Amino acid sequence: NAGVMQNPRHLVRRRGQEARLRCSPMKGHSHVYWYRQLPEEGLKFMVYLQKENIIDESGMPKERFSAEFPKEGPSILRIQQVVRGDSAAYFCASSLQGLNTEAFFGQGTRLTVV
Amino acid sequence: AQSVTQLDSHVSVSEGTPVLLRCNYSSSYSPSLFWYVQHPNKGLQLLLKYTSAATLVKGINGFEAEFKKSETSFHLTKPSAHMSDAAEYFCVVTRSQGNLIFGKGTKLSVKP
Repeated sequence: NAGVMQNPRHLVRRRGQEARLRCSPMKGHSHVYWYRQLPEEGLKFMVYLQKENIIDESGMPKERFSAEFPKEGPSILRIQQVVRGDSAAYFCASSLQGLNTEAFFGQGTRLTVV
Repeated sequence: AQSVTQLDSHVSVSEGTPVLLRCNYSSSYSPSLFWYVQHPNKGLQLLLKYTSAATLVKGINGFEAEFKKSETSFHLTKPSAHMSDAAEYFCVVTRSQGNLIFGKGTKLSVKP
């Protein structure tokens, strides 16, 4: 049973381009979470999705950021018109159930905006 | 509202000596608490979790943590540090909606 898979591991984008980060949860997991880790900071919650539904997006910037978790396929975190401040590590986690259950993390995608 | 404070951003110990990583939490209800470890260029791995059963929780790699409600603390300890323990450690509390709130992390260095 493969763990949470994120790709790409490293992504370089020029300012103004779009970044698409993918996350395949563990088999059987229908809950997905996205976190952002800025340099010298802890992980900050962005969004919590359950298949085809956004449960909590209170940590998502209001503009340029969106997330989806379709019925088929991976969860996608999309950042439009990237800026230098978007450079960070983005981690995805999945869990079998939601509240208070163990979340398993991927290795992250390191986004660099040049 | 839930929050978590890791009191030390860096901790340095010698190999074979005890490890103490401090964490205080704030929660308006009975929380679930976790410790995660992140090795360089790796994803996060769950060390242990507290979910209102025993207050002393044993985790992987010899780590354990004690939930103290009166002190709102959940400190992580290990009797004897190993070089492979060098990593960043995150104390985590759950939000009522189910997602995780992370502390800022404590970087543990282990000297030979």
